[in-house]
Amino acid sequence: KQEVTQIPAALSVPEGENLVLNCSFTDSAIYNLQWFRQDPGKGLTSLLLIQSSQREQTSGRLNASLDKSSGRSTLYIAASQPGDSATYLCAVNPSQGGSEKLVFGKGTKLTVNP
Amino acid sequence: DAGVIQSPRHEVTEMGQEVTLRCKPISGHDYLFWYRQTMMRGLELLIYFNNNVPIDDSGMPEDRFSAKMPNASFSTLKIQPSEPRDSAVYFCASSLDSAGRETQYFGPGTRLLVL
Repeated sequence: KQEVTQIPAALSVPEGENLVLNCSFTDSAIYNLQWFRQDPGKGLTSLLLIQSSQREQTSGRLNASLDKSSGRSTLYIAASQPGDSATYLCAVNPSQGGSEKLVFGKGTKLTVNP
Repeated sequence: DAGVIQSPRHEVTEMGQEVTLRCKPISGHDYLFWYRQTMMRGLELLIYFNNNVPIDDSGMPEDRFSAKMPNASFSTLKIQPSEPRDSAVYFCASSLDSAGRETQYFGPGTRLLVL
């Protein structure tokens, strides 16, 4: 059974700092991996989707990497801003054939202090 | 597009009452998902539909939960009777294609409190 873990559960950094969020999964046979952002009281917003054949994806100040063999992904946020404060969740699609059943981590709550 | 719409946004009810949560997916999306989020268990998939047909309901916790999708623009998740342990945030999401190829778009959620 695929399990997704995100450590730490919470992270607090000063504005302007570069930071890395971690995601690990137990079964390397994944189809893709996504990073989502969740603001308080709101739904999830997809940030980046990495297919299993890819190593990384970039969007603005965000860069997500994927290492299937080690079961790890990282989300790098450059020059963090207070507006980046949110909970970040990673989710894996556990089937190599493509599945609708994403498995989510519990998230890392990020606070960027002005 | 207005995105995925859920109603109500907040629901407080008493144990034993029936609760109905509603969702309008993004127009043209063929997949609809119902999730439940709690602090203890995180985000869990309850059921999903493809072209209005329930495909996998293995995540539905028990028979008290039921979901329907009578047409492409509307779905309901019903809990009858409700229990305090059902208290959670329930999300609806939709996608253009399967999660293997397309991302899911989430609604704002319904915060359910069962007293």
